[in-house]
Amino acid sequence: DQQVKQNSPSLSVQEGRISILNCDYTNSMFDYFLWYKKYPAEGPTFLISISSIKDKNEDGRFTVFLNKSAKHLSLHIVPSQPGDSAVYFCAASASDRDDKIIFGKGTRLHILP
Amino acid sequence: DVKVTQSSRYLVKRTGEKVFLECVQDMDHENMFWYRQDPGLGLRLIYFSYDVKMKEKGDIPEGYSVSREKKERFSLILESASTNQTSMYLCASSLSEWRIGNQPQHFGDGTRLSIL
Repeated sequence: DQQVKQNSPSLSVQEGRISILNCDYTNSMFDYFLWYKKYPAEGPTFLISISSIKDKNEDGRFTVFLNKSAKHLSLHIVPSQPGDSAVYFCAASASDRDDKIIFGKGTRLHILP
Repeated sequence: DVKVTQSSRYLVKRTGEKVFLECVQDMDHENMFWYRQDPGLGLRLIYFSYDVKMKEKGDIPEGYSVSREKKERFSLILESASTNQTSMYLCASSLSEWRIGNQPQHFGDGTRLSIL
C-alpha cells in the first residue's frame, strides 16, 4: 500500500520555465512533508519542507504548496535551471507511525536547453 | 557541513556471505538510518537508531540487522546475503529535536551492493 505517491516517473521542462512536481498521500495523519533532490551517484539532499499547519513554504526558487483537503502537495521550481535536472523525492511523516518518514518513488526531472 | 560517509561505494559479495555496511557521520547527530533504493520503489527504510545501542525496525527489516556501538557509527549487517538484497544502500543521519520525522536527513552517497 503506497502511502506517498509520485505518479509521474519523469517530467521534461524547458530551461527558464516553471517545473511542477506533484505528490499525493493517503494517510490523513501525515503532518510534515519534505522534498529531497538526488543526483546520480550521490545521496539525496534535503530541499524544502512544510508543516501541515501551513499551505505554502518558499525558499528562493523553490516553493512547496500543500492542499490538505486534497491530500496533495506540489513543488514549484521557478525558473528552472539545468542544474535542477535530478530525481525528486517527496516524503511524509506522521507521529502515529513512530514518526518514520515515508518516501515516494521519485520523479526524474529533465531540464531541456 | 554535515558529512555522512559510507565505507564502500561498490561491493560485490556472494550468496550466503555475512556482509557489513559501515556508515559514519561527523556532526554528532543522534538519529541514524539505513535505506535501500530500488528502481521503481523509491527509498525504503530498513532500520533506524535514535541513540547508541538503540535500534528500531523500519518497513523492510527482514534479513538485516544493525549495530550502533558509538554515536557516530551505524552498521548494517546482512546476516546471510541473498540475491534479492542486491540494491543501493543509503545511510542518513539527523538531529534529534522533538520529532524525528521533522528533521531533514543528511545522506551518504550510497553503497551499490551486488550479491552474486
